[in-house]
Amino acid sequence: GENVEQHPSTLSVQEGDSAVIKCTYSDSASNYFPWYKQELGKRPQLIIDIRSNVGEKKDQRIAVTLNKTAKHFSLHITETQPEDSAVYFCAGRSNAGGTSYGKLTFGQGTILTVHP
Amino acid sequence: SQTIHQWPATLVQPVGSPLSLECTVEGTSNPNLYWYRQAAGRGLQLLFYSVGIGQISSEVPQNLSASRPQDRQFILSSKKLLLSDSGFYLCASTFPDRIGTQYFGPGTRLTVL
Repeated sequence: GENVEQHPSTLSVQEGDSAVIKCTYSDSASNYFPWYKQELGKRPQLIIDIRSNVGEKKDQRIAVTLNKTAKHFSLHITETQPEDSAVYFCAGRSNAGGTSYGKLTFGQGTILTVHP
Repeated sequence: SQTIHQWPATLVQPVGSPLSLECTVEGTSNPNLYWYRQAAGRGLQLLFYSVGIGQISSEVPQNLSASRPQDRQFILSSKKLLLSDSGFYLCASTFPDRIGTQYFGPGTRLTVL
């Protein structure tokens, strides 16, 4: 099955700096990679996702890049703000065997702290 | 609108007691539904998923079970809770506007004492 590794486990930056979180996946059949942000005590919220037919996607200060050859994808947050502080999870979805249930395999999470 | 409801929001139960958590979805039909558990400070563990009424697949063998009696209702149950069952239980659903994307409900925080 799919295995997703996420690094770093914790990341501390100063307000205004950029933050980068990286994930690697094992299943070359994976074709969908969402990123979730989870604030303390709340549900994970989808912030951006990318499908395997594109290499990069951007939404304001957030971007995701995908390298299918190397099987890794990254989340980039520019001009970080204190409200970006949260736990971020990456995930991958394998389409191996034509499964339609959309099972996601999550990374272990990254605790991002943005210092004012 | 597309909404996921979970109840109760919080629950404190003694060891050995039964459990029933409910998830309902609005604004879609025939969604894929998922139950996740998140231990304190940890990642997301997929427990069960369902692609239709009465169709349940288990990811982790344990003392929990799931049922889907209606198209947009997903229930997580246990006959006897263990201390290790404590955690944040999240229901997730797919919606037709974004194929394959999972959205999470507000969660149930369970403490087993």
